[in-house]
Amino acid sequence: KQEVTQIPAALSVPEGENLVLNCSFTDSAIYNLQWFRQDPGKGLTSLLLIQSSQREQTSGRLNASLDKSSGRSTLYIAASQPGDSATYLCAVKGTSGSRLTFGEGTQLTVNP
Amino acid sequence: DTGVSQDPRHKITKRGQNVTFRCDPISEHNRLYWYRQTLGQGPEFLTYFQNEAQLEKSRLLSDRFSAERPKGSFSTLEIQRTEQGDSAMYLCASSTNMNTEAFFGQGTRLTVV
Repeated sequence: KQEVTQIPAALSVPEGENLVLNCSFTDSAIYNLQWFRQDPGKGLTSLLLIQSSQREQTSGRLNASLDKSSGRSTLYIAASQPGDSATYLCAVKGTSGSRLTFGEGTQLTVNP
Repeated sequence: DTGVSQDPRHKITKRGQNVTFRCDPISEHNRLYWYRQTLGQGPEFLTYFQNEAQLEKSRLLSDRFSAERPKGSFSTLEIQRTEQGDSAMYLCASSTNMNTEAFFGQGTRLTVV
């Protein structure tokens, strides 16, 4: 059974800082990994999708990397802003089914 | 098309009542998923449709839960005889195929009192 872990569970940083969120998964047989953002009481917004054959994806100030063999992904946020405050979730899609398996998220607070 | 749409956004119901939620996926997406999320947790998979066929169900989907996707377009999720433990955010997502990005709706927040 796939298990996804995100570290840290919560993170508070001053505005402008660069930061890294970590995601690890137990089964490397995956199709892809997706990072999401969730604001309180809202749905999920897709940030980046990395296919199993890819090493990284970039979108604006966000960069996500994937090391499938070691079961790890990182989300790098450059020059953080208060508007980045949210919960960040990673999810993997395994090759044995159709579901996404999610971590519990990292709650990020960026202080002005 | 502005994305995945869910209705209602919020539902408060008394224990024992039945509730039904609707999800309209992105129009060209043939895959539709339902997830449930409780406070402080990541979403958990409930069920998956490819077109009108329900292809996978989680053990979380007890016999009080039923989902349909007639004609392969919108989907409904019904919970019968609601219990307080059913209180959660119910999220719908859609995608074009197995390898592509999943897009989520805003969710339906269910509170059972």
